[in-house]
Amino acid sequence: GNSVTQMEGPVTLSEEAFLTINCTYTATGYPSLFWYVQYPGEGLQLLLKATKADDKGSNKGFEATYRKETTSFHLEKGSVQVSDSAVYFCALRGDDYKLSFGAGTTVTVRA
Amino acid sequence: KAGVTQTPRYLIKTRGQQVTLSCSPISGHRSVSWYQQTPGQGLQFLFEYFSETQRNKGNFPGRFSGRQFSNSRSEMNVSTLELGDSALYLCASSTPGQSTEAFFGQGTRLTVV
Repeated sequence: GNSVTQMEGPVTLSEEAFLTINCTYTATGYPSLFWYVQYPGEGLQLLLKATKADDKGSNKGFEATYRKETTSFHLEKGSVQVSDSAVYFCALRGDDYKLSFGAGTTVTVRA
Repeated sequence: KAGVTQTPRYLIKTRGQQVTLSCSPISGHRSVSWYQQTPGQGLQFLFEYFSETQRNKGNFPGRFSGRQFSNSRSEMNVSTLELGDSALYLCASSTPGQSTEAFFGQGTRLTVV
């Protein structure tokens, strides 16, 4: 079945540091890939998505590129802020329409 | 446009009782999925309903069940509650399609004592 493996946390950074969260997937066919973010006490919200190979999703300074050759969708941000502290989830939706999530990575940004 | 609404937000139940959680999707969304979130297990997929039919099911015991009504609203039911059922239950709605995003509600925090 489809699955997502993402970098274990927690990750602690200083403000303006570079953030990378690794995500790799296993899937049949051509899944769509997503990054979701969960702020404390809230549900998940979509951060960005990519629906085909070599697509780059971007939002709020975050970027991720759909790499089919390495089955990866790593999340990056060049300069993080305290407000980026949250839990980040990588996810895929395959041809069964089911959304499968990684374990989540907790990111804490210190001022 | 109203978001996904889950009720109640918080619930405390006693072991052995049953509970029903409700989810109202975004207007026009016919797919509703349920997830259980716990610190130890992360986000676990429970089931998905599309046009009143269960389309996908996760690996949960039969105590967990759900349904979807003709207006796309969905309920999930947990019978014979166990302490381990304490979790945040999240509902998500979406339009049909592999590339569409899911919109999540704020969740129902269930505590079993």
